[in-house]
Amino acid sequence: AQSVTQPDIHITVSEGASLELRCNYSYGATPYLFWYVQSPGQGLQLLLKYFSGDTLVQGIKGFEAEFKRSQSSFNLRKPSVHWSDAAEYFCAVGATTSGSRLTFGEGTQLTVNP
Amino acid sequence: DTGVSQDPRHKITKRGQNVTFRCDPISEHNRLYWYRQTLGQGPEFLTYFQNEAQLEKSRLLSDRFSAERPKGSFSTLEIQRTEQGDSAMYLCASGEGNRGGLEGYTFGSGTRLTVV
Repeated sequence: AQSVTQPDIHITVSEGASLELRCNYSYGATPYLFWYVQSPGQGLQLLLKYFSGDTLVQGIKGFEAEFKRSQSSFNLRKPSVHWSDAAEYFCAVGATTSGSRLTFGEGTQLTVNP
Repeated sequence: DTGVSQDPRHKITKRGQNVTFRCDPISEHNRLYWYRQTLGQGPEFLTYFQNEAQLEKSRLLSDRFSAERPKGSFSTLEIQRTEQGDSAMYLCASGEGNRGGLEGYTFGSGTRLTVV
């Protein structure tokens, strides 16, 4: 069975600082990995996804993520955070062997201080 | 086509009432998924359809929940005899394309259910 762990429930950073959100997954084969962002009361917006190839993936809003198979990780990074990045971030793993449903982590709430 | 549409956006109902939500997927997508998200948690899979066939149901989907997708187009999720524990955001997603539809996976904005 696939699973996702986001070790940090809440992270606070200052505007302009760098950001790294951690994600560890468990899956027996090559995973398909996703990062989503959710503002309060809103749906999920896809930031980026990894299927294969280059392990460093670029996404929207200046985000990137790196797939590290040896560490079963897919951490999300941004070099300089903006106040508008404050939101909840979810990592998810999908697999075609499970009907292509996604398994999500519990999320990391990001607060940005001015 | 502007994406996955869900209706209503918000629903407040009294405990014991029945509610029905609708999801209109992206028109060319043959896979449709329902998820439930409670406060402070990540979304959890409920069920999915390929065309009109319901292929998998989570154990979270009790017998008070039923989902349909007639003609393989829009889908409805009905909750009978609602309970306060049903209060959550109900998200719909659709998918098509390579890798089992994961490449084109798109979520709707969700329906927020509050049971009072």
